[in-house]
Amino acid sequence: DSGVTQTPKHLITATGQRVTLRCSPRSGDLSVYWYQQSLDQGLQFLIQYYNGEERAKGNILERFSAQQFPDLHSELNLSSLELGDSALYFCASSKQGANTEAFFGQGTRLTVV
Amino acid sequence: AQKVTQAQTEISVVEKEDVTLDCVYETRDTTYYLFWYKQPPSGELVFLIRRNSFDEQNEISGRYSWNFQKSTSSFNFTITASQVVDSAVYFCALSVLSNTGKLIFGQGTTLQVKP
Repeated sequence: DSGVTQTPKHLITATGQRVTLRCSPRSGDLSVYWYQQSLDQGLQFLIQYYNGEERAKGNILERFSAQQFPDLHSELNLSSLELGDSALYFCASSKQGANTEAFFGQGTRLTVV
Repeated sequence: AQKVTQAQTEISVVEKEDVTLDCVYETRDTTYYLFWYKQPPSGELVFLIRRNSFDEQNEISGRYSWNFQKSTSSFNFTITASQVVDSAVYFCALSVLSNTGKLIFGQGTTLQVKP
């Protein structure tokens, strides 16, 4: 158990809908990262928050947004969903940045039908 | 820009064989960190090791060992006496100090260990 909790584990929704993925980082970790894993793109970095503030952005679509709350949990919002958004979404947390290892949650498998 | 290449897409071995997973990285940063993660069939990503660019010492942890060579920009992972439970996808990843800690992943190597 990595200590990072993601909910839900599975999500099936229709095209055009909006969903929210939730992540609780390990106790004491200030950095939260979101990654998308798909068959064609592999593991791609989406966005990072550090202590409530956005720190870095990767290949995140404009239809996607995220935030980190004062209690350090984070949410990833995906809207106007398309079939191609079907993927495994991971949250990871670390104490700081590059020089500390990131621990991953079990992921949320999103299926858009 | 940074890049990680895992040229081996799939490897199949018989139990008790030794197997080496290759990882080649590219970065112009002088301070960087290399990682290996394991993704078993259940899907979670499990952290295995972190190495910083100033420490080229090889590391051994049980049946696992890692060989870091800056001269060839490689960070290879060897499993000795493989077991069926080692069957998984293994990812090599890179982060650089100037980049806040986001991980750049290789495409992964699927290891199948047959009984």
